[in-house]
Amino acid sequence: EVQLLESGGGLVQPGGSLRLSCAASGFSFATYAMSWVRQAPRQGLEWVSGLSDTGAGTYYADSVKGRFTVSRDNSKNTLFLQLNSLRIEDTAVYYCVKESRDYFHSRGYLESWGQGTLVTVSS
Amino acid sequence: DIQMTQSPSSLSASVGDRVTITCRASHYIDTSLNWYQQKPGKPPKVLIYTASTLQDGVPSRFSGSGSGTHFTLTITSLQPEDFATYYCQQSYSVRSFGGGTKVEV
Repeated sequence: EVQLLESGGGLVQPGGSLRLSCAASGFSFATYAMSWVRQAPRQGLEWVSGLSDTGAGTYYADSVKGRFTVSRDNSKNTLFLQLNSLRIEDTAVYYCVKESRDYFHSRGYLESWGQGTLVTVSS
Repeated sequence: DIQMTQSPSSLSASVGDRVTITCRASHYIDTSLNWYQQKPGKPPKVLIYTASTLQDGVPSRFSGSGSGTHFTLTITSLQPEDFATYYCQQSYSVRSFGGGTKVEV
């Protein structure tokens, strides 16, 4: 069974930083692309960032480009998202998501989701 | 960037109804369109991928169609467990979601 366990969320002031982690198990982590998707309170889903199985290809939404950095450690089955220069509008639950393929294929989809970790940006 | 527009944003329905949700892409996306269901307090789960392929375990009352820029999700004979929010998502150019459609009583 695929399990994705996010951690690292919390309360941070505007301009601050956080590092989210996602511990993956139940599948061959190193052979799948991964994504981060967020959901602001009472709002819809927003895809944030993702990367290929090897980490060679990384992708970002315009809203976070230059502020967030996605990475992975395949030896530890762990996905990361470094959040810098945080803004109030970054407040959201951040989901770790397993993609259905090894890279960002046009036929791919968001196959398995974690329970999410809450990031609150407030002074 | 590809923008996804869903309609309606919400709808009222009853058990047994046929429900149709529409999703439009701002640019051509072939059949690179996926549908998700989300219930309150839970992460989304995929229902349909590549526009019309039903994910394993999803009831056959759910179906998807479309290609290019116009897509639909249909639920025939709505069941109590189907009251939820539905999102479309394109994979043609990176990833992006529609705004969601809340199906309520």
